[in-house]
Amino acid sequence: DAGVTQSPTHLIKTRGQQVTLRCSPKSGHDTVSWYQQALGQGPQFIFQYYEEEERQRGNFPDRFSGHQFPNYSSELNVNALLLGDSALYLCASSRQGSSTNEKLFFGSGTQLSVL
Amino acid sequence: QKEVEQDPGPLSVPEGAIVSLNCTYSNSAFQYFMWYRQYSRKGPELLMYTYSSGNKEDGRFTAQVDKSSKYISLFIRDSQPSDSATYLCAMSTGGGNKLTFGTGTQLKVEL
Repeated sequence: DAGVTQSPTHLIKTRGQQVTLRCSPKSGHDTVSWYQQALGQGPQFIFQYYEEEERQRGNFPDRFSGHQFPNYSSELNVNALLLGDSALYLCASSRQGSSTNEKLFFGSGTQLSVL
Repeated sequence: QKEVEQDPGPLSVPEGAIVSLNCTYSNSAFQYFMWYRQYSRKGPELLMYTYSSGNKEDGRFTAQVDKSSKYISLFIRDSQPSDSATYLCAMSTGGGNKLTFGTGTQLKVEL
């Protein structure tokens, strides 16, 4: 049973560029959430996708956008990159409506460096 | 003030010791409490999942939730070098809502 998979594992961009990160949820899961983890900090919630719609959003600017596909996979897009966007981006999946839908399973993340 | 406070450590203990990790929180709406373990450059791994107050035990790990004090703990018995990692507490109000994490406590178990 494949867990949550993310690609790429590492990425280096320059300020002002745009980036797309990808995530495939754990088998049987239909909800994908994205988190940003700065060095030495806990993950911060960016947004959650369910049924191809953004359901919740954290305190992140509109430069951060996402998409969910019919097969439940998801993309995170960040435009006009800033140095402060350098972080580990984590994708987490869960199953909506289950008794344990707060149980999030995380991927290994994409390490984004903005130069 | 952050919604969830966690001492970042680092915490260093000898092998075999009992480890106590703690978080405090301010949002009384939190109903679900979790502990994640994160190894360097990896994603968080769910260790313990608790609803409301009380204790939960799983092998060498025990999670405690005291909602009246807004305080949660994770105990690790017979700690091993392989337990060396960052431990993150996380909380949710439920309904599939977002997780709010602490900053994580870095633990090192020494031989």
